[in-house]
Amino acid sequence: AQSVTQLDSHVSVSEGTPVLLRCNYSSSYSPSLFWYVQHPNKGLQLLLKYTSAATLVKGINGFEAEFKKSETSFHLTKPSAHMSDAAEYFCVVSGLMEYGNKLVFGAGTILRVKS
Amino acid sequence: DAGITQSPRHKVTETGTPVTLRCHQTENHRYMYWYRQDPGHGLRLIHYSYGVKDTDKGEVSDGYSVSRSKTEDFLLTLESATSSQTSVYFCAISPGITVPIYGYTFGSGTRLTVV
Repeated sequence: AQSVTQLDSHVSVSEGTPVLLRCNYSSSYSPSLFWYVQHPNKGLQLLLKYTSAATLVKGINGFEAEFKKSETSFHLTKPSAHMSDAAEYFCVVSGLMEYGNKLVFGAGTILRVKS
Repeated sequence: DAGITQSPRHKVTETGTPVTLRCHQTENHRYMYWYRQDPGHGLRLIHYSYGVKDTDKGEVSDGYSVSRSKTEDFLLTLESATSSQTSVYFCAISPGITVPIYGYTFGSGTRLTVV
């Protein structure tokens, strides 16, 4: 079975400082990994994805993530936080079901950005 | 999100009453999914459909049923609502085989409160 663990439920940073949101995954095969973002009272937006190409993946709004197979990690980073980055972030792994594929979500990390 | 709509957007209902949530798509995608989102749990799969009249259970299916009589619509029914089913419900669609590559397209969510 596939699963993800987001190591921090809440992260607080000051505007202009780096962001690090940590994610470890478990998968019995080479997975696809995603980060989704959800702004308050909004839907889910795809931030970036890893699908077995380059291990360093760049996404929207300056975010990037590095796939490290040896550490089973897919941490999300951004060099300089902006107030608009305040949101909940989900690390997601693709999984198999009896009749197709699915996405398995982590519990989420709430990012707070202080001015 | 373009091509997928959920209704209603908000609903308050009483314990013990039946409730049906609707997901409608115009993308002609084969797969449709219902997830619930709860703090500290991320999104969890309730049921999914892999074609007209073809459905299967997800991880948290107890107390829920689904139906898909045509490609465009996927209904989620709470036969007798309980307070533990207070949640935000998201519908998602996918062609199926592309989930590991592109993930899902999500609806905007339905906020259900059971009092």
